[in-house]
Amino acid sequence: EAGVAQSPRYKIIEKRQSVAFWCNPISGHATLYWYQQILGQGPKLLIQFQNNGVVDDSQLPKDRFSAERLKGVDSTLKIQPAKLEDSAVYLCASSPSSYYGYTFGSGTRLTVV
Amino acid sequence: GENVEQHPSTLSVQEGDSAVIKCTYSDSASNYFPWYKQELGKRPQLIIDIRSNVGEKKDQRIAVTLNKTAKHFSLHITETQPEDSAVYFCAARGDEKLTFGTGTRLTIIP
Repeated sequence: EAGVAQSPRYKIIEKRQSVAFWCNPISGHATLYWYQQILGQGPKLLIQFQNNGVVDDSQLPKDRFSAERLKGVDSTLKIQPAKLEDSAVYLCASSPSSYYGYTFGSGTRLTVV
Repeated sequence: GENVEQHPSTLSVQEGDSAVIKCTYSDSASNYFPWYKQELGKRPQLIIDIRSNVGEKKDQRIAVTLNKTAKHFSLHITETQPEDSAVYFCAARGDEKLTFGTGTRLTIIP
């Protein structure tokens, strides 16, 4: 089966600019997650979708981060405006349901300068 | 929410020896415990998982044990090989989401 697709792979932006990441989960996976992984740390959940509804966004910095999953398939994560501390790898993951383990995408490495 | 602690943060073992990584969790309702391997610049990949109704699970050279009473679980890698060098993350699922540990950088010394 095809894996979780993410784009772009790398992005360099200046602080205060905006950026968007895209994720296409494995076909049929109802649950989609966005994680932030800062260098040397474990992944931290930003937002969890079940189909096109938000299950958990308690750790999403809503003043600058937003995410949507239209039609319950693809998802986009946006940061506006970016800060230096947003430099990280943004990982998208999907699973058939929260009962199962995740499959991660390759991630987007964001550098804010 | 769930809190997962992982030890050690770094681990070096001679090739052929065993490696053990330990994690503790805080939410007694957590019921699923996967382990992920992340090689440099790559995505985390699921290598083994265990559910709360099982005490031990083995897959070739890797095994995971779970002690629900003590709220800790461990990853065991036997007969280590150079390709086992990577960062390993444990995770625990509570409230339908995974919380990850801080990772263990495992280095296999030839």
